[in-house]
Amino acid sequence: SQQGEEDPQALSIQEGENATMNCSYKTSINNLQWYRQNSGRGLVHLILIRSNEREKHSGRLRVTLDTSKKSSSLLITASRAADTASYFCATDKLTDSWGKLQFGAGTQVVVTP
Amino acid sequence: NAGVTQTPKFQVLKTGQSMTLQCAQDMNHEYMSWYRQDPGMGLRLIHYSVGAGITDQGEVPNGYNVSRSTTEDFPLRLLSAAPSQTSVYFCASRDRGGTEAFFGQGTRLTVV
Repeated sequence: SQQGEEDPQALSIQEGENATMNCSYKTSINNLQWYRQNSGRGLVHLILIRSNEREKHSGRLRVTLDTSKKSSSLLITASRAADTASYFCATDKLTDSWGKLQFGAGTQVVVTP
Repeated sequence: NAGVTQTPKFQVLKTGQSMTLQCAQDMNHEYMSWYRQDPGMGLRLIHYSVGAGITDQGEVPNGYNVSRSTTEDFPLRLLSAAPSQTSVYFCASRDRGGTEAFFGQGTRLTVV
């Protein structure tokens, strides 16, 4: 079973709008990461937030983490057509080795000009 | 610095054939993993390795073998290909301490 579940499964917005997607997970974690995948390509790391952090920013990205609710959100501000991609959350479970990064099913984001 | 390199990029196999998907990284990372990606299911962990000579099973290991004789290489072997193994396969590596994972570009495998 997957550790992370993203919501929504798909998101369609216009350029300039903000995109928000959520991730819920099941067990205690060391950290949570977000990745982007362009069509037909490998995953690219976006941002990592550790279990003792509540919010993190990187450029137009803002990530929050609520360990009490076992959830995280990724906000992309002022979206661009180039942000069209699938976005995945991934977790390092507290009891697992660093080799077992576990992914959710992803949110497919389409940004139209 | 090439990162994570996977070969081949595309492969078509007949049911029952065997093959090896290659993965190499040049970042001296301890941890390497193989995932498969199927539509609507995200990435599922097949096997992973925490260092040369040490491998373990992930979520969906059946039908696959791995070995890790060097830090750089982590090949994935399909013993007897089945149509259910049609998927996109990704190799990833990462350093110790819960850092980001680096992914290869993937191998798109079709089993007919």
